[in-house]
Amino acid sequence: EVQLVESGGGLVKPGGSLRLSCAASGFTFSNAWMSWVRQAPGKGLEWVGRIKSKTDGGTTDYAAPVKGRFTISRDDSKNTLYLQMNSLKTEDTAVYYCSTGTYYYDAGAYYEFWGQGTLVTVSS
Amino acid sequence: EIVLTQSPGTLSLSPGERATLSCRASQSVSSSYLAWYQQKPGQAPRLLMYGASSRATGIPDRFSGSGSGTDFTLTISRLEPEDFAVYYCQQYGSSPETFGQGTKVEIK
Repeated sequence: EVQLVESGGGLVKPGGSLRLSCAASGFTFSNAWMSWVRQAPGKGLEWVGRIKSKTDGGTTDYAAPVKGRFTISRDDSKNTLYLQMNSLKTEDTAVYYCSTGTYYYDAGAYYEFWGQGTLVTVSS
Repeated sequence: EIVLTQSPGTLSLSPGERATLSCRASQSVSSSYLAWYQQKPGQAPRLLMYGASSRATGIPDRFSGSGSGTDFTLTISRLEPEDFAVYYCQQYGSSPETFGQGTKVEIK
């Protein structure tokens, strides 16, 4: 059974940093492309970014609102995905989901598997 | 980027009724790479449909999807109590992938 478990959320001041983790199990993590999707309170879903498997280059791609501030990385030895968030803004307040599914090269993906999400609150 | 507009914003229906949800794209969605998700309060989204009309694993056949180009529809033939939720469409045919703002299906 595929499991994705996020952690690391919490309250942070504007301009601060936070690192989220996503522990994966039930599938071959090293072969998987992975994504982060967020949802602001009471709002819709927003794609944050993705990372390819190392065999496919391990490259990352980001949504415009987070590019240059957020970094996605992976540790295949620990089956763990990370989201390093710097220079946080109040508008980054959201539940952050780790997800994976079927990817279309350099386009997007549909997501069969989601974590339960972790809440990040950016407030002074 | 492709903007997806869902309508209506809220659909008030009774169990047993048919629900028709619309998703319109600002430009053509490549290869009908459109998905639908269901989300209940406090839960992660659940994949219902992909490729506009293919049901995901375990999704009952009362859910169906159709459309191509810029106009897509999710139909729930007969609403069950567990179907009352928010539904999102998503295009994944071009980067960045984008989601619609959601349609809430509520009990009338």
